[in-house]
Amino acid sequence: GAGVSQTPSNKVTEKGKYVELRCDPISGHTALYWYRQSLGQGPEFLIYFQGTGAADDSGLPNDRFFAVRPEGSVSTLKIQRTERGDSAVYLCASSLLAANEQFFGPGTRLTVL
Amino acid sequence: QKEVEQNSGPLSVPEGAIASLNCTYSDRGSQSFFWYRQYSGKSPELIMFIYSNGDKEDGRFTAQLNKASQYVSLLIRDSQPSDSATYLCAGMNTGNQFYFGTGTSLTVIP
Repeated sequence: GAGVSQTPSNKVTEKGKYVELRCDPISGHTALYWYRQSLGQGPEFLIYFQGTGAADDSGLPNDRFFAVRPEGSVSTLKIQRTERGDSAVYLCASSLLAANEQFFGPGTRLTVL
Repeated sequence: QKEVEQNSGPLSVPEGAIASLNCTYSDRGSQSFFWYRQYSGKSPELIMFIYSNGDKEDGRFTAQLNKASQYVSLLIRDSQPSDSATYLCAGMNTGNQFYFGTGTSLTVIP
């Protein structure tokens, strides 16, 4: 079956612009997680959804970051007024239930110039 | 203090040897632990998970969990050059958050 997919695979934007990153989880997975990974670091937790609701958004670095999952499947991570420090690989993962093992998508490499 | 600590390495072992990767965690409430492998430029892929104290074996991989000492380890037997990657340890805390370590870079020398 299909794994987690993320689009775009690469995104280059200018400082101050708005970007949206999309994640399509494995079908039937109720939990969806967003992470950010910088070079040489492990994935850093941002937010996780259980169904349509954000169960924990404590990892979002500031109010420029926002994520939605309106129908409990696809999720979009939105970043306003991008800054150069936002450059990283943004990873999405899904799991059948929140306490289960997570499966990662290929990531979106965001570069803010 | 980070939730999960790993020795960043790099760790080098000869082909056919046992590679031992270690991880400690700070949240005593964490119940579940996961090992992921990440090749350069790729996303993490799950190798094993462990919930109970003791050993769990899957092929060439053995995960070990010691909750009293708060450490998790991964042993790779008969290491192959294709095992060369970064290995990420992750714990899940009581809030269902995954905390990842910074990863240990492993190189298996042919």
